[in-house]
Amino acid sequence: GQQVMQIPQYQHVQEGEDFTTYCNSSTTLSNIQWYKQRPGGHPVFLIQLVKSGEVKKQKRLTFQFGEAKKNSSLHITATQTTDVGTYFCAGRVSGTYKYIFGTGTRLKVLA
Amino acid sequence: DAGVIQSPRHEVTEMGQEVTLRCKPISGHDYLFWYRQTMMRGLELLIYFNNNVPIDDSGMPEDRFSAKMPNASFSTLKIQPSEPRDSAVYFCASSGPGQGVYGYTFGSGTRLTVV
Repeated sequence: GQQVMQIPQYQHVQEGEDFTTYCNSSTTLSNIQWYKQRPGGHPVFLIQLVKSGEVKKQKRLTFQFGEAKKNSSLHITATQTTDVGTYFCAGRVSGTYKYIFGTGTRLKVLA
Repeated sequence: DAGVIQSPRHEVTEMGQEVTLRCKPISGHDYLFWYRQTMMRGLELLIYFNNNVPIDDSGMPEDRFSAKMPNASFSTLKIQPSEPRDSAVYFCASSGPGQGVYGYTFGSGTRLTVV
């Protein structure tokens, strides 16, 4: 079946350092969404990317969708302690309304 | 809007017992999803509904799991009989016409422990 993998699985950074998580799908995606889940919380929607090669920014966060629509990345500039949590990508299966969530990257920011 | 409401927040039950998880989606949302989250398997889609109709239940682990959506404002996920390996956090999520802008809205989840 379709799989969506993320690397790295864990990342510890010093506050102020940058962070990047990568998302790779085994098949071409219609679009991709990113979510953040704080410890003990539930996933919260961040953004959706639709077009091949699309880049979107939200303050210190930059999201990118690959040209082949099989991979994506999330980059955080100058991390803060509030960035702590697990970041998930979710790829939409073509022809359906269901999203397959990636394995997630757990970010820990050391003050 | 109060968001997606799930109950109970925590459930501890003995192996073999029936467990029912409940979800109230956001009013006006026409899609409802049930996900299960574990450390080993991550977030797994179990089933989703569109306009109260089950569209894809290929993620339901086995016949012990069943889900219903009798109306637009209520859904249940039932496990009978429950087993220790069913222990997980179960999330309900809904989405509507603004899905591309707002994505899925998740409930706070039900943490199920089967002993």
